[in-house]
Amino acid sequence: DSGVTQTPKHLITATGQRVTLRCSPRSGDLSVYWYQQSLDQGLQFLIQYYNGEERAKGNILERFSAQQFPDLHSELNLSSLELGDSALYFCASSVGVLLNNSPLHFGNGTRLTVT
Amino acid sequence: GDSVTQMEGPVTLSEEAFLTINCTYTATGYPSLFWYVQYPGEGLQLLLKATKADDKGSNKGFEATYRKETTSFHLEKGSVQVSDSAVYFCALSDYQFYFGTGTSLTVIP
Repeated sequence: DSGVTQTPKHLITATGQRVTLRCSPRSGDLSVYWYQQSLDQGLQFLIQYYNGEERAKGNILERFSAQQFPDLHSELNLSSLELGDSALYFCASSVGVLLNNSPLHFGNGTRLTVT
Repeated sequence: GDSVTQMEGPVTLSEEAFLTINCTYTATGYPSLFWYVQYPGEGLQLLLKATKADDKGSNKGFEATYRKETTSFHLEKGSVQVSDSAVYFCALSDYQFYFGTGTSLTVIP
């Protein structure tokens, strides 16, 4: 058990809809990362937050947004969903951003299916 | 920019065979290097790490040595088991994380 909790585990929704994925980081971790994993594109970094502030942005679409709350949990919002957004979405956490030897700890992911 | 390149799969081995999964990296600084493993239906789990040149990371019979001269961090295991079937990811951290594309390993009895 990594200590990172993601909900829900599965989500099925229709095109055009909006969903929210939730992540609770490991106790003591200040950084949260979101990744998208699809069969054809591997693991894609979306966005990183550190202690409530956006730290780095990757290949995140404008239809997607995220935030990290004062209690350090994070939410990833996906809107105007398309079939191609179907994927596994992972949250990961780490202690911080000042240590490059601090590993990421991953949750078990949310499987999103857009029909 | 920083990047990680790992050998393409899938890799299929018989039980008790020797495993090598190649990983090379490009980095401007002094990164830490990691191997992660992903079992079916699960998230990525940290397998091992090395934080400086010549460090050897090891866990569950897997080993990898941080080779600065060849910019490599190859994963090895002397005798694989069916339970090692998974996808393996090489990664580097230079304050940002960079993952390889993953190598699928299937071990057959």
